Amino acid sequence: SAVISQKPSRDICQRGTSLTIQCQVDSQVTMMFWYRQQPGQSLTLIATANQGSEATYESGFVIDKFPISRPNLTFSTLTVSNMSPEDSSIYLCSVMDASEGAKNIQYFGAGTRLSVL
Amino acid sequence: QKEVEQNSGPLSVPEGAIASLNCTYSDRGSQSFFWYRQYSGKSPELIMFIYSNGDKEDGRFTAQLNKASQYVSLLIRDSQPSDSATYLCAVITNAGKSTFGDGTTLTVKP
Repeated sequence: SAVISQKPSRDICQRGTSLTIQCQVDSQVTMMFWYRQQPGQSLTLIATANQGSEATYESGFVIDKFPISRPNLTFSTLTVSNMSPEDSSIYLCSVMDASEGAKNIQYFGAGTRLSVL
Repeated sequence: QKEVEQNSGPLSVPEGAIASLNCTYSDRGSQSFFWYRQYSGKSPELIMFIYSNGDKEDGRFTAQLNKASQYVSLLIRDSQPSDSATYLCAVITNAGKSTFGDGTTLTVKP
């Protein structure tokens, strides 16, 4: 299984500022994802982070608001830009090995609990 | 219709009983199916995965898959209070996309 380190674990931010969340994996993985989860709600996929190219965003999420980087196969960042209280949520990094013979199992980081004042 | 639907909760069972969690999916070409458990305030963790029709058992957990009916379930035998959590069904669609259901919250009462 993959071990994921996600930082920060929590933060309290002011409206209008930006926060960058880091996700580091202990092995090379083919797929990295960023999710948002409101308390008591299910997972909402923000985007798939693509190594060396622009992320693939889901409907309702745009690059200007959630820029994502993935410079290599073990690291990705998600930035929440120009934050408002509506961005208060838990943000989760997830990885999957989608290579041939792999089981397509997703592993999750511990999450970043973001509160925007 | 949602791509992955789970039985509405919350589900409450007494300790020692069997908890049955159900999930249906819309993409008939889906190949991989997963159950994740999420404790309150924690991230999801894998419980079971299943790829072939039939049953797969791991300890107190049994996953059942019926591709013809587009149905996957998770049975938890001898339920314990520590099993109280939200259970997420996930499906890898034919397009290779991972889709999660909304989850079913299970409470096991001592």
